[in-house]
Amino acid sequence: EAQVTQNPRYLITVTGKKLTVTCSQNMNHEYMSWYRQDPGLGLRQIYYSMNVEVTDKGDVPEGYKVSRKEKRNFPLILESPSPNQTSLYFCASSYQGAAEAFFGQGTRLTVV
Amino acid sequence: AQSVTQLGSHVSVSEGALVLLRCNYSSSVPPYLFWYVQYPNQGLQLLLKYTTGATLVKGINGFEAEFKKSETSFHLTKPSAHMSDAAEYFCAVSRGDNAGNMLTFGGGTRLMVKP
Repeated sequence: EAQVTQNPRYLITVTGKKLTVTCSQNMNHEYMSWYRQDPGLGLRQIYYSMNVEVTDKGDVPEGYKVSRKEKRNFPLILESPSPNQTSLYFCASSYQGAAEAFFGQGTRLTVV
Repeated sequence: AQSVTQLGSHVSVSEGALVLLRCNYSSSVPPYLFWYVQYPNQGLQLLLKYTTGATLVKGINGFEAEFKKSETSFHLTKPSAHMSDAAEYFCAVSRGDNAGNMLTFGGGTRLMVKP
């Protein structure tokens, strides 16, 4: 089954404690991206990747890091989380930049 | 740069009534346009998309949307609302020349369906 898998689904952490949210896709897609969803703001892009070892900033990259060492994986790293990073995060993949995106189930992160 | 504006963060309709969710976009190149639906505690699911060709596109669950270039709009409609349509809907745009970096989303519209 074609899918994008994110883990964990829910996470509560404390300010400053490094965390990683994993994302994996099994569709051999070139493009992968991370979005955060906040009420009234829709989904805003954090980082994206056009291929292995190629990543770039989206609209709201501050406080986040990513890496793309394998085509299927695109982890999101918060090295020092802060409460303003409390949000719902989605990973997505697509076979090209203009194409429809396939989304993971989301990770609800709370930073206290 | 691209942007998407969804008019109305909340829309309420009665069961059986017409659903109309509004989306306007801006893009410097011919756009690809999408509508996604998000049910509670779930990810986003594609409803329909416009790339090229026929401007009236049909999607899943009886939804359709019409691309109107002159109005820069891509409104979503359904003739008769069902209770199961209650969800949040997102309009999105990407660059049709594939020079972009995936989708830009609107702020979302929460659809409520009254019995």
